[in-house]
Amino acid sequence: DAGVIQSPRHEVTEMGQEVTLRCKPISGHDYLFWYRQTMMRGLELLIYFNNNVPIDDSGMPEDRFSAKMPNASFSTLKIQPSEPRDSAVYFCASSSGGWSNQPQHFGDGTRLSIL
Amino acid sequence: QKEVEQDPGPLSVPEGAIVSLNCTYSNSAFQYFMWYRQYSRKGPELLMYTYSSGNKEDGRFTAQVDKSSKYISLFIRDSQPSDSATYLCAMKGAGTASKLTFGTGTRLQVTL
Repeated sequence: DAGVIQSPRHEVTEMGQEVTLRCKPISGHDYLFWYRQTMMRGLELLIYFNNNVPIDDSGMPEDRFSAKMPNASFSTLKIQPSEPRDSAVYFCASSSGGWSNQPQHFGDGTRLSIL
Repeated sequence: QKEVEQDPGPLSVPEGAIVSLNCTYSNSAFQYFMWYRQYSRKGPELLMYTYSSGNKEDGRFTAQVDKSSKYISLFIRDSQPSDSATYLCAMKGAGTASKLTFGTGTRLQVTL
C-alpha cells in the first residue's frame, strides 16, 4: 500500500526562482496537510485541505507561498519568488476523516535549499 | 513562549535502558496527545495516541498525560538501537478547527 509520495526529495535553487513541491496523498484520504520543519521552529502547519478545498491557510507565511489541490490525488505548494529563509524540509501529510482520532500519514519530505 | 516545549536533547542511553521523554504545554484546551517518531531523512510516523489524562501502553512504549500539570511523557522500556530517532510530541484541542501543534522534538540515541 503506497504511502504519501512527495517530489522532489531534494531541491536546490537560487534566490528569486520559483519552486514547486508536489504531493500525492494516500488514496481515499480526504484531508491533506502541508507542513514546514526547521530546527528552530519545529513542524509548522502551513495549510490544509478537506475534499480538495483549502480550509485554513493561516500558517502560510507570506503571499509568496501558494498551494493548490486540483484533484483528490495531487497537491502542489509553490514559492515564488523563493528566499534563503524558505530553506527547510517541507512535508505533506494526509488522513482519512476528521482530525480527532485519525492519524496523519506523512511523506518523506522535500529538503529545500535556497542559495 | 511556545505553546509546546520539548527538550531537544540529544539524549544518549545504553541499550536496555528505560527512556523518558517529556513535553510541557500551556494551552489548557488541548485534549488529544500524540507521540511521533521520526527517523533521519524520513517523515514523522504516529507512535502513540491518547485522549485526555491517563496512561496508555503499547508493547515497550507507555504514554502518560497529566493535564493538571500540563505535562506528557513517553517511556520506552528495554530501549533498542532501532529506537534511535527524533521523538515529537503533538497535541490538539477538540473540534475540527483545532490544529495539531508539535514540539520541536527530542533526538534519542541508543548505543550498543
